[in-house]
Amino acid sequence: EAGVAQSPRYKIIEKRQSVAFWCNPISGHATLYWYQQILGQGPKLLIQFQNNGVVDDSQLPKDRFSAERLKGVDSTLKIQPAKLEDSAVYLCASSLGGQAYEQYFGPGTRLTVT
Amino acid sequence: LAKTTQPISMDSYEGQEVNITCSHNNIATNDYITWYQQFPSQGPRFIIQGYKTKVTNEVASLFIPADRKSSTLSLPRVSLSDTAVYYCLVGAVGRGSTLGRLYFGRGTQLTVWP
Repeated sequence: EAGVAQSPRYKIIEKRQSVAFWCNPISGHATLYWYQQILGQGPKLLIQFQNNGVVDDSQLPKDRFSAERLKGVDSTLKIQPAKLEDSAVYLCASSLGGQAYEQYFGPGTRLTVT
Repeated sequence: LAKTTQPISMDSYEGQEVNITCSHNNIATNDYITWYQQFPSQGPRFIIQGYKTKVTNEVASLFIPADRKSSTLSLPRVSLSDTAVYYCLVGAVGRGSTLGRLYFGRGTQLTVWP
C-alpha cells in the first residue's frame, strides 16, 4: 500500500514570496490533514478536510494560508506572503475517518523562509 | 479540548522496559487515547490506541486505569532504534468528528543508550 506522498521535500524562499505544497493521501482515505511542526514542538493542526469539505480550519492563519482539496483526493496548501515565522515542516496526513482514527503521515516538506 | 501532560524527556538503556505516563485529567467519555512515535525528519507514526484497561500489540502495551485520567505506554526491551519522540493524544473516534481536536503537545523525547 502506497503511503502519503508530499512534494517538494525541501523549499527555501525569501519572506514575502509565495509557496505551495502538494499532498496525495492514501487511496480511499476520506480525511486529510495539514499540520505545521516548528522545530522542537509537536505538530499543530492547520486544517482538516473530510472528502473535499473543510471540517476544521480554526488554527489556519487565513490572511496568508489557504488550502484546497479538489475532487476529495489531492490537496494543496499555499502560503502567500511568507513570513520568517512560517519556517517549519509541513506535514500532510490522512485517515479513514475522524481525527482519532489512525492517521498516516507523509514525510513532510521542510520550509525555510529567509 | 482535552490536553495532555507528559515528561519532556526520558533516558533508558537497551533491553530495559520503558514506561511513559501521560496525564489527561479532562478526558471526555467518548475520547480515545492514542500514542504516536516520531523519528527525526519523519512524520509521526501510530503506535497504539485504547479506551480503557489494557491494550497490547506487537510493539507496545497501553495501560489505562479505571478513571482514565492517565495512561501509560510501555515499551518492552527497548533498543537504540526506539530513540524518538512519543506523543500522547486524546480525542473522539468518529467519522468526520471534530470533538476533542487532537493536540500533540511537545511529546516525550526518549533516548536509549547502549
